[in-house]
Amino acid sequence: AQSVTQLDSQVPVFEEAPVELRCNYSSSVSVYLFWYVQYPNQGLQLLLKYLSGSTLVKGINGFEAEFNKSQTSFHLRKPSVHISDTAEYFCAVILNTGGFKTIFGAGTRLFVKA
Amino acid sequence: DAGVIQSPRHEVTEMGQEVTLRCKLISGHNSLFWYRQTMMRGLELLIYFNNNVPIDDSGMPEDRFSAKMPNASFSTLKIQPSEPRDSAVYFCASSFSRDGLFFGSGTQLSVL
Repeated sequence: AQSVTQLDSQVPVFEEAPVELRCNYSSSVSVYLFWYVQYPNQGLQLLLKYLSGSTLVKGINGFEAEFNKSQTSFHLRKPSVHISDTAEYFCAVILNTGGFKTIFGAGTRLFVKA
Repeated sequence: DAGVIQSPRHEVTEMGQEVTLRCKLISGHNSLFWYRQTMMRGLELLIYFNNNVPIDDSGMPEDRFSAKMPNASFSTLKIQPSEPRDSAVYFCASSFSRDGLFFGSGTQLSVL
């Protein structure tokens, strides 16, 4: 069965420190990979996506992620976080089976402290 | 484009009542997804449509839930009869191919 695992439910970090949010997936077929952010009382917003090509992808708000096929990972990173980055972050996959079914991880709560 | 529009934003109802949630897709998008979000279960995919056709409804909890897409730009999710355990935030999202999902602001449903 296909699944998405976000290894940390909460990540506290000080402002201006680097952060990495971890995501691993399990799939018997190739996948497309996404990160979304959810601010309080809002829907999810697309941060970045990996469809093909370069394994390092850059997104909005200074975030980037690297696709590692051998480790089946797609970790999200930011070199210096701001208070405004406090939010819930979701990793998601679409299976390359011809459809568009998107499966989400459980989410990681990033809390940036002053 | 105004983005994905959901209505109502909040719905409070009593157990046993019918609830209808509405969603307007972004123009040009051809896939529509309904998700439910709770603290306990996270984000659950209920059903998704491609080109107005339901593709996967395996996440629909039971027969009390039904979803329709009468045209390319509009969808409804109906719960009848509603139960307290249906209380959650319901999101719809639209997409074009594998470009990623665009979410609405959600409907906060409370069933008393």
